[in-house]
Amino acid sequence: DTEVTQTPKHLVMGMTNKKSLKCEQHMGHRAMYWYKQKAKKPPELMFVYSYEKLSINESVPSRFSPECPNSSLLNLHLHALQPEDSALYLCASSPKTGFHEQYFGPGTRLTVT
Amino acid sequence: AQSVTQLDSQVPVFEEAPVELRCNYSSSVSVYLFWYVQYPNQGLQLLLKYLSGSTLVESINGFEAEFNKSQTSFHLRKPSVHISDTAEYFCAVRGAGSYQLTFGKGTKLSVIP
Repeated sequence: DTEVTQTPKHLVMGMTNKKSLKCEQHMGHRAMYWYKQKAKKPPELMFVYSYEKLSINESVPSRFSPECPNSSLLNLHLHALQPEDSALYLCASSPKTGFHEQYFGPGTRLTVT
Repeated sequence: AQSVTQLDSQVPVFEEAPVELRCNYSSSVSVYLFWYVQYPNQGLQLLLKYLSGSTLVESINGFEAEFNKSQTSFHLRKPSVHISDTAEYFCAVRGAGSYQLTFGKGTKLSVIP
């Protein structure tokens, strides 16, 4: 299995909702990442997990809460989002944080109404 | 810190014509370089990478890129494009010892029948 999967593919939520994005990989990678990509922009790094521990938080607002329950799974919990948080959320993994390339999932298209 | 400049935001080209997508980077340390492709409404796929060794790297679908250290460039080329190559192309750099991928702003390649 050489892919990163993400669910759901699309998500529409109101500003008072609580929802979660899920990312899974079975390549034995020990580093996992969340990126946010606005339309016509490059991906921006949000969080990095290394060996299931949060190692990087790129000054992301607390309404985004990451969780890494095990080495294969990465969640992003969403609460009280704003319309400007609408974007494509990409998950990626790599064998470890110092390894060369990252493998990306297909993304979750999030719309906040 | 590293930075990436993709000089063209949009490149239209006729089918079967050659194309070059330009990428320049800056870094105070040695770098690893990547090209990622993003098809509409999809995640990023690694197209090719330069880690070390031969400065000319090739992908399985006919793209190639050449690492030029003196010009700090990593331009992407294809001698004959197909309609299916229509996509957004991102150049990315990672500095030696760094976990972080820095992306350029992307180049939208449009292949015209």
